[in-house]
Amino acid sequence: EAGVAQSPRYKIIEKRQSVAFWCNPISGHATLYWYQQILGQGPKLLIQFQNNGVVDDSQLPKDRFSAERLKGVDSTLKIQPAKLEDSAVYLCASKGTSGKETQYFGPGTRLLVL
Amino acid sequence: QKEVEQDPGPLSVPEGAIVSLNCTYSNSAFQYFMWYRQYSRKGPELLMYTYSSGNKEDGRFTAQVDKSSKYISLFIRDSQPSDSATYLCAMIGTGGAQKLVFGQGTRLTINP
Repeated sequence: EAGVAQSPRYKIIEKRQSVAFWCNPISGHATLYWYQQILGQGPKLLIQFQNNGVVDDSQLPKDRFSAERLKGVDSTLKIQPAKLEDSAVYLCASKGTSGKETQYFGPGTRLLVL
Repeated sequence: QKEVEQDPGPLSVPEGAIVSLNCTYSNSAFQYFMWYRQYSRKGPELLMYTYSSGNKEDGRFTAQVDKSSKYISLFIRDSQPSDSATYLCAMIGTGGAQKLVFGQGTRLTINP
């Protein structure tokens, strides 16, 4: 079974530029998550999708971050404009419908904002 | 106060030692408890999954949950250099809109 795919793996941008990350979840997983992991901290949930609908985006800085999951499969997370404090690893995870609360993570996109 | 507290370490032990990793939490609604292992520049991978209180063993790994004390532990027996990673505890309540809340992670090094 293929895992969660993310691209790009690394991105360096200057502040005030925009950036987009892409995630392809495990096939058949209805739930998709985006997390932000700042160096030395645990992942923090930004947004949760169930199919193509948003379940929770309470911790998403909506003035600069946006996310979509068209057709309930792939998802993109965008930051516009980026700030220095956005430097982090952005992790995508997906969960199936087995009833267990098991989330499977992708390798992450490492973002550096200069 | 954070919902989940975890000592960030770093923790360094010799090969073959028993490792004990711990987390405390404040939200009594948490019902599912997990331990993730994260190697450098990789995403977290699920190591252990426990529902409610009790012990669960999987090979060299044992997870313990004490809901009365709001305390969870992960024990690693016969530790190997390949166990060197950051270990993240995570927990979640029931219901579709519950968030998985992570601890800060403990950075562990097993020295050959």
